Amino acid sequence: DAGVTQSPTHLIKTRGQQVTLRCSPKSGHDTVSWYQQALGQGPQFIFQYYEEEERQRGNFPDRFSGHQFPNYSSELNVNALLLGDSALYLCASSLWGSPTESYEQYFGPGTRLTVT
Amino acid sequence: RKEVEQDPGPFNVPEGATVAFNCTYSNSASQSFFWYRQDCRKEPKLLMSVYSSGNEDGRFTAQLNRASQYISLLIRDSKLSDSATYLCVVNMGSGYALNFGKGTSLLVTP
Repeated sequence: DAGVTQSPTHLIKTRGQQVTLRCSPKSGHDTVSWYQQALGQGPQFIFQYYEEEERQRGNFPDRFSGHQFPNYSSELNVNALLLGDSALYLCASSLWGSPTESYEQYFGPGTRLTVT
Repeated sequence: RKEVEQDPGPFNVPEGATVAFNCTYSNSASQSFFWYRQDCRKEPKLLMSVYSSGNEDGRFTAQLNRASQYISLLIRDSKLSDSATYLCVVNMGSGYALNFGKGTSLLVTP
């Protein structure tokens, strides 16, 4: 049973550049959420996708955008990178439906983004 | 005030000790509660859900007090492999997004 996968594992970008991160959900899951985890902090919710639509969004600027594809995989795009965007970006998958199944989210290994 | 607050830690305990983590949340509309475990530079992994009646999974016991908006995790007979950061997690009250605490670090020593 394939778990959540993310690519790339590490990325180094320069301030002002744009980046795209990718995520494939766990087999059988249809919902993808993205989180940002700065060093020494807990993950912070960015947004969630279901049926190719953004369903909920956290307190992140419009520079952060996403997409979900028909196969449920997802991308996170960040434009005009700032030094403060350096973090571990985590993708989590779940099954939209009953509250129990939707709230239990399974995380991928993350993409570590460094902005210089 | 942060939505989910945890003991700052770190907790350093000897093998075999019992350790308790506490967590408070601010959104009274929250409906689902979890403890996640995160090893160094790894992704968070679901440790257990927390139910109103309290629940136990082996050496781990979770309690929820909705009136006080308080969640706890008790680890009995600590093992070296329990060393990790423990994250208190609450759903945001609307939709399915999760709100994480900052985490409490546990180091179990021989």
